[in-house]
Amino acid sequence: GEDVEQSLFLSVREGDSSVINCTYTDSSSTYLYWYKQEPGAGLQLLTYIFSNMDMKQDQRLTVLLNKKDKHLSLRIADTQTGDSAIYFCADYNTDKLIFGTGTRLQVFP
Amino acid sequence: DSGVTQTPKHLITATGQRVTLRCSPRSGDLSVYWYQQSLDQGLQFLIQYYNGEERAKGNILERFSAQQFPDLHSELNLSSLELGDSALYFCASSNRQGGGETQYFGPGTRLLVL
Repeated sequence: GEDVEQSLFLSVREGDSSVINCTYTDSSSTYLYWYKQEPGAGLQLLTYIFSNMDMKQDQRLTVLLNKKDKHLSLRIADTQTGDSAIYFCADYNTDKLIFGTGTRLQVFP
Repeated sequence: DSGVTQTPKHLITATGQRVTLRCSPRSGDLSVYWYQQSLDQGLQFLIQYYNGEERAKGNILERFSAQQFPDLHSELNLSSLELGDSALYFCASSNRQGGGETQYFGPGTRLLVL
């Protein structure tokens, strides 16, 4: 079946940029999503990108998509302590979302 | 706040029991999805309903069932519960049947089976 993979942890200093990476196997992917999950909370949609786009920017968030390599990244500029959370990459595949394992982002002062 | 509500927030029960989780989608959304989040399996899609009809099925056990009612709220029924069913169960909704859409998630129901 289709698979989505992410690294498990990322630690950055406050004010630096964070880059969270994701790879997927679905060659017919149409939409790719980034969700954020804070401790004890649900999933918050951050942004998404359509598969015919290379880049999407939304305030501090920049999504880059390399369709050839099936690689997706989320860049958070000027990372703040409030950005500490788990970030999930998800691939929309035939009526369902396939999630990666999530990347735990820790921001230290 | 995504506009998707789930009740109860927490549920503690014993093995062998049956529970019902409830989800109300965002106003106007016809699709409801159920996901399970556990430590060992991660986030997994269980089932989707669109306007009252089952639309897609994922890794849902036979002991689990769901339905979507005419008012579009949905219930996930979990029976003959096992310790391994302890997880966070999310409901999500969207306003499209398929072909690419944005799903908005509820806060989840945390189920603990003792």
